[in-house]
Amino acid sequence: KQEVTQIPAALSVPEGENLVLNCSFTDSAIYNLQWFRQDPGKGLTSLLLIQSSQREQTSGRLNASLDKSSGRSTLYIAASQPGDSATYLCAVRRQGGSEKLVFGKGTKLTVNP
Amino acid sequence: DARVTQTPRHKVTEMGQEVTMRCQPILGHNTVFWYRQTMMQGLELLAYFRNRAPLDDSGMPKDRFSAEMPDATLATLKIQPSEPRDSAVYFCASGSRLAGGPGADTQYFGPGTRLTVL
Repeated sequence: KQEVTQIPAALSVPEGENLVLNCSFTDSAIYNLQWFRQDPGKGLTSLLLIQSSQREQTSGRLNASLDKSSGRSTLYIAASQPGDSATYLCAVRRQGGSEKLVFGKGTKLTVNP
Repeated sequence: DARVTQTPRHKVTEMGQEVTMRCQPILGHNTVFWYRQTMMQGLELLAYFRNRAPLDDSGMPKDRFSAEMPDATLATLKIQPSEPRDSAVYFCASGSRLAGGPGADTQYFGPGTRLTVL
């Protein structure tokens, strides 16, 4: 059974700092991995999707990497801003026909002005 | 702009009552997902549909939960009878799978229904 773990559960940083969020998964037979952002009282917004054949994806100040063999992904946020404060979740989709996503419990990020 | 809508946003009910949550997927999306989020378990997939047909409902307690798509613009999740342990935020998400494609990779989430069962 696939398990996804995110460490740390919470992170507080000063504005402008570069930071890394971590995600690990137990079964490396994945189809893709996604990073989502969740704001309080809101749904999830997809940030980056990495296919299993890819090593990284970039969007603006965000960069996500994937090391499938070691079961790890990182989300790098450059020059953090207070508006980046949210909970970040990673989710993996396994190989095969199912589109089921298995989520980590998230890292709650607070960027202090 | 196109978005997934869910009603109600909040629901407080007593144990044993029936609860119905509704979701309107983005127009043209053919895949609908139901998730449940709790502090203890995190976000879990309950069921998902393609073209209104259920593809996977293995995450859903069958004895009290049911999910349907009466038409392409409406998905429902019912709990009967409800129990306190059902208290959670229920999310609907929709996506689009092209014919022959690998699946609805990008899922667009609604704002959720926060359910409290007393």
